[in-house]
Amino acid sequence: GAVVSQHPSWVICKSGTSVKIECRSLDFQATTMFWYRQFPKQSLMLMATSNEGSKATYEQGVEKDKFLINHASLTLSTLTVTSAHPEDSSFYICSARLRDRAGYNEQFFGPGTRLTVL
Amino acid sequence: AQSVTQLDSQVPVFEEAPVELRCNYSSSVSVYLFWYVQYPNQGLQLLLKYLSGSTLVKGINGFEAEFNKSQTSFHLRKPSVHISDTAEYFCAVSVGITGGGNKLTFGTGTQLKVEL
Repeated sequence: GAVVSQHPSWVICKSGTSVKIECRSLDFQATTMFWYRQFPKQSLMLMATSNEGSKATYEQGVEKDKFLINHASLTLSTLTVTSAHPEDSSFYICSARLRDRAGYNEQFFGPGTRLTVL
Repeated sequence: AQSVTQLDSQVPVFEEAPVELRCNYSSSVSVYLFWYVQYPNQGLQLLLKYLSGSTLVKGINGFEAEFNKSQTSFHLRKPSVHISDTAEYFCAVSVGITGGGNKLTFGTGTQLKVEL
């Protein structure tokens, strides 16, 4: 259980186009999902917290208009990179929050999406 | 704000040898601590976590870690590594009463390379 998927697993696009990445919790409902960005050989940096039915909370320095997040259902959050540029090329990873029987919240991570902007 | 330091960016080790990956954290409040493993081009998999209770935590794949509050450390250990353990390992910290469901702050990662 607690499986999170991402689609696509990789995408190549031209500069100036927009790319949408989907994050789905397959066997549980997640009111909260997180979006991370990982540059090569570096750690994960939290970009934003996605809350179902409300606006996402962005971390300092992350452009809201550049990285649009929509959490329209309890199993799906999407990240749209608008007007993508080569510097947006990165590995994007999502996670979904699940509360276990003990009341503890844990994050389950998706497999990631490799975005390459030409 | 909390932070995590992984001093070793790379750790080479021979197969069947023991290994320790170091993690130190700083926080002004109580923390929850985690170790994740990432294989190439994949997401993160939870190895183990410390929430409360016993300071020695056992995880999957034979890994264990010990929480040391006085030294603010949470080092990861395995008594005998296998080739398949070659991967990137991330230490992470979370604060708040709801544990890892809150924001996670990650260390910079340690590349474990197991050699024959």
